[in-house]
Amino acid sequence: GENVEQHPSTLSVQEGDSAVIKCTYSDSASNYFPWYKQELGKRPQLIIDIRSNVGEKKDQRIAVTLNKTAKHFSLHITETQPEDSAVYFCAAAGTASKLTFGTGTRLQVTL
Amino acid sequence: NAGVTQTPKFRILKIGQSMTLQCAQDMNHNYMYWYRQDPGMGLKLIYYSVGAGITDKGEVPNGYNVSRSTTEDFPLRLELAAPSQTSVYFCASSYSTGTTNYGYTFGSGTRLTVV
Repeated sequence: GENVEQHPSTLSVQEGDSAVIKCTYSDSASNYFPWYKQELGKRPQLIIDIRSNVGEKKDQRIAVTLNKTAKHFSLHITETQPEDSAVYFCAAAGTASKLTFGTGTRLQVTL
Repeated sequence: NAGVTQTPKFRILKIGQSMTLQCAQDMNHNYMYWYRQDPGMGLKLIYYSVGAGITDKGEVPNGYNVSRSTTEDFPLRLELAAPSQTSVYFCASSYSTGTTNYGYTFGSGTRLTVV
């Protein structure tokens, strides 16, 4: 089955700096790659996603890139703010829309 | 439009007891899923369903059962609870054509402790 690896496990940045989280996947049939943000004690919330026919997608301060050949995708957050502090999960899906999640990155934005 | 509703929010079970976690969605999504999230970890798929009457195992199905008699409901049954089942359980739903996937909508979770 699919295996998703995520790095780093923790990330601390100063407010205003950029943050980058990287994921790799194993199944070349995967075609959908969402990113979720989870605040403490809350449910995961979809923040951005990308499909295999697109190399990059941007939504305000958040962007995702996908390299199908290398089987990796990344989340980029620019101009980080304290409210960006949370755990971020990458995921990959192929058949039956089954998402396989990475192990998460705890992002802390310091003042 | 409530989205995905999970009940209960919290539960403490004794070893060997059984319970059913309820999940309902009102978005007419065809796909539904159950995940568990252990402390500080990612989400692992327990069971999923691609439509009413159809269910299949995920990555960690042992100790659980599901049914999907309607499009809206997808209950998760725990038989003979064990401490290893202490976790937060998330139900999710999505719309899929089978080839095109869309993002999940998650419920608020059920925090289960087995003592």
